[in-house]
Amino acid sequence: DAGVTQSPTHLIKTRGQQVTLRCSPKSGHDTVSWYQQALGQGPQFIFQYYEEEERQRGNFPDRFSGHQFPNYSSELNVNALLLGDSALYLCASRDLSDEQFFGPGTRLTVL
Amino acid sequence: GQQLNQSPQSMFIQEGEDVSMNCTSSSIFNTWLWYKQDPGEGPVLLIALYKAGELTSNGRLTAQFGTTRKDSFLNISASIPSDVGIYFCAGLLGASGTYKYIFGTGTRLKVLA
Repeated sequence: DAGVTQSPTHLIKTRGQQVTLRCSPKSGHDTVSWYQQALGQGPQFIFQYYEEEERQRGNFPDRFSGHQFPNYSSELNVNALLLGDSALYLCASRDLSDEQFFGPGTRLTVL
Repeated sequence: GQQLNQSPQSMFIQEGEDVSMNCTSSSIFNTWLWYKQDPGEGPVLLIALYKAGELTSNGRLTAQFGTTRKDSFLNISASIPSDVGIYFCAGLLGASGTYKYIFGTGTRLKVLA
């Protein structure tokens, strides 16, 4: 049973560019959340998708957007990248018992 | 962003010692989770707590859901070198469909052999 998977593993972009990160939830999970983790910090909640809709959003600008597909996989898009967007981006899926499982993350570096 | 307070921020201990860390909040949570994160990897779920006062064990790890529902504690007994890492608590806010987890600031554990 595959856990949460994310791609790519690492990514380097320049300021102003756009990026798309991908996530497949754990088998049987239908809810996906995205987090940003800056170096030395805890994960910060970006948003959560359920039934292909954004259900909850953290304190992130509209440059951060997402999508969920019918197979429950999800994408995180970030437009007009800033240096401060450099971070580990984590995807997590949740089961009915409130246990949330994380993927390995995508390390984004903005130059 | 919103984060829970964890203490201590970091600790060095000798192999074989017991470790205690805690997480506090001004908000009430219905679920507490404890994670361990190794460098460059995603957090791995250790223990989940669902009821105030609940005490749950997972091997050498024991966690408790505070009776006020505003705090939680994690203990590691007889630490070993592979316990090294960052430990995060997370509290669940909201109900099904509109929930989010708030994470702590992390406790960095280093074990001296």
